[in-house]
Amino acid sequence: EAEVAQSPRYKITEKSQAVAFWCDPISGHATLYWYRQILGQGPELLVQFQDESVVDDSQLPKDRFSAERLKGVDSTLKIQPAELGDSAMYLCASSPSGATDTQYFGPGTRLTVL
Amino acid sequence: GENVEQHPSTLSVQEGDSAVIKCTYSDSASNYFPWYKQELGKRPQLIIDIRSNVGEKKDQRIAVTLNKTAKHFSLHITETQPEDSAVYFCAASTETSGSRLTFGEGTQLTVNP
Repeated sequence: EAEVAQSPRYKITEKSQAVAFWCDPISGHATLYWYRQILGQGPELLVQFQDESVVDDSQLPKDRFSAERLKGVDSTLKIQPAELGDSAMYLCASSPSGATDTQYFGPGTRLTVL
Repeated sequence: GENVEQHPSTLSVQEGDSAVIKCTYSDSASNYFPWYKQELGKRPQLIIDIRSNVGEKKDQRIAVTLNKTAKHFSLHITETQPEDSAVYFCAASTETSGSRLTFGEGTQLTVNP
């Protein structure tokens, strides 16, 4: 069964450093999502792509976060500079075409900012 | 925007008992309601979902009910087993929101042997 892949699984960094996370969605899925999950809370959407285009980045802190999906397949989420409050699980999800399709989640990247 | 509230935050039951988790949503345009199970350190996994054109859906020991008038939906797990222990999240989305899922805060379910 195809799954969403993410790397790295764990990342420890110091504040003010730059970090990047990678996501490879299920093959053929046009919609890709990045969520942030703070410990003890539900995931919160950061950015949504339809193919290579951003369709929703209203919750993305654009002064420090950026995301791209250049060829409409895999995606990178970057934080520069990282802050203590960025410590969280970063989850990537994909769905066939968005709308109300099922979203399939990757294993996540656990970020710790020291 | 959409707001989803989930109760209870923790739930402890004896093996074999039933468990019920309830969620309310604010946006009457929401039309898709998935439930995810997340075990410690693992990815959220879809266990059941329901769309607004039906009131109930069952899959073996799991069922979801939807009351659109009251804007709430519930997860029912019967004959609970220790492996059901996990955090359960409800979510809601609308096509007009671009399929953004708004999640509840989660319910830690513990099934005691």
